[in-house]
Amino acid sequence: EAGVVQSPRYKIIEKKQPVAFWCNPISGHNTLYWYLQNLGQGPELLIRYENEEAVDDSQLPKDRFSAERLKGVDSTLKIQPAELGDSAVYLCASSRGRDGYTFGSGTRLTVV
Amino acid sequence: LAKTTQPISMDSYEGQEVNITCSHNNIATNDYITWYQQFPSQGPRFIIQGYKTKVTNEVASLFIPADRKSSTLSLPRVSLSDTAVYYCLVADNDYKLSFGAGTTVTVRA
Repeated sequence: EAGVVQSPRYKIIEKKQPVAFWCNPISGHNTLYWYLQNLGQGPELLIRYENEEAVDDSQLPKDRFSAERLKGVDSTLKIQPAELGDSAVYLCASSRGRDGYTFGSGTRLTVV
Repeated sequence: LAKTTQPISMDSYEGQEVNITCSHNNIATNDYITWYQQFPSQGPRFIIQGYKTKVTNEVASLFIPADRKSSTLSLPRVSLSDTAVYYCLVADNDYKLSFGAGTTVTVRA
């Protein structure tokens, strides 16, 4: 069984540029999560989807961050414009209810 | 979500047993205790989960006392490949996970 697939693995952009991350969850997993992880810290939840509905986006900085999960499968997280402080690892996870909670390997973003 | 407190780091040697204790004084009745492991450049990986007493799987054991205000993850006979960050989390009914800084376990030869 393929795990949670994220792309790209690494991304370097200049500040003020847009960037997008893609996540393909495990087949059959209705819940999808985006986390942000700063160096030396644990992951922090940005947004949680139940199928195509964002049920918890309270921690998502909506002025520059947006996410979508069309058709309740793949998801995209976007930052526009990126700031230096956005440099971090962006993790995607999926689960079937509370079962099978699995993380992807993440996208490491560097904003210069 | 209940806040968890665990040591920042622990050192061990190959073949030893490593025990990481986590405190979660404000755990709610329906909360589960979950532990994750994270290697560099990888996402966290589920290790073990429990509600009370003792849970054991092929990787670790989890001990939870009756008051559930703490839990101990036990890693038997660690090897160099067990060097990682270990997170103790309390998950509610919605399985919303709240990560702390974790415990960095370093296993030496």
